[in-house]
Amino acid sequence: GAGVSQTPSNKVTEKGKYVELRCDPISGHTALYWYRQSLGQGPEFLIYFQGTGAADDSGLPNDRFFAVRPEGSVSTLKIQRTERGDSAVYLCASSWRGTQKAFFGQGTRLTVV
Amino acid sequence: KQEVTQIPAALSVPEGENLVLNCSFTDSAIYNLQWFRQDPGKGLTSLLLIQSSQREQTSGRLNASLDKSSGRSTLYIAASQPGDSATYLCAVSDAGGTSYGKLTFGQGTILTVHP
Repeated sequence: GAGVSQTPSNKVTEKGKYVELRCDPISGHTALYWYRQSLGQGPEFLIYFQGTGAADDSGLPNDRFFAVRPEGSVSTLKIQRTERGDSAVYLCASSWRGTQKAFFGQGTRLTVV
Repeated sequence: KQEVTQIPAALSVPEGENLVLNCSFTDSAIYNLQWFRQDPGKGLTSLLLIQSSQREQTSGRLNASLDKSSGRSTLYIAASQPGDSATYLCAVSDAGGTSYGKLTFGQGTILTVHP
C-alpha cells in the first residue's frame, strides 16, 4: 500500500495477557517510530528504529514493552502482562532518514479489560 | 527535557473566520517543527514542516511560522471551513543525539468551525 499500515485496528484483551501490534511502514522508509496516545493527549514517543536497530528506546515505559524490526521493514510492538493503564491508541510512523516529514498510520486502539 | 505547549486547548469559530493556533517549546535546539491534523479516531496527517533554518511554510489556506530563538510557532488558517474541524497538533524534532526525527508533541488544539 501507499501509506503506513497498522494491524489490528482494534484490540481488546484481558489484563495479564500478551499482545502484539504490527506496523508496515512506507516502502523505502528507513526510520520507524512507535508512539502512544491517551485520550485527550498528544502522542508520546516510545521507540525509534533506524533500519533494524532500535536507535532510541528511551520512551518505553517499562520492561513489559518490547519492539522489534528484524528485517528493517515491518515492526512489531509487544506488550507482556498487559495492565489497564496500557489502554491507549498505539501509533506507528515512518520517514525517510528520520529527519523528514513523518507519515503516521491509523493506529491500533488497545483496550485492556 | 523538551516540552511543547499549545494554546488554546479548544477553539470554536464561525465559518469564514481567520484564526491562529499557538505552539511554544522550551528547548530551541530543534531540527524542525511540524503541524499535524488529527480527525476523531484517525491517525495524524502532516500539514506543514518547517526546518529550523526556515521562518515559514505555506500550503493553500495554511501558513505556519517559526521563531526558533523564542521557541514559538503559529499556524494561521485563512477563511476557515467546517471541514477544518479537527485537532491540530504541533510537534518538534530535537537536534543532537541519535534520535533524529523523534517528535515531542503538544496536547493539541481542538478546532470547531460551525456553519
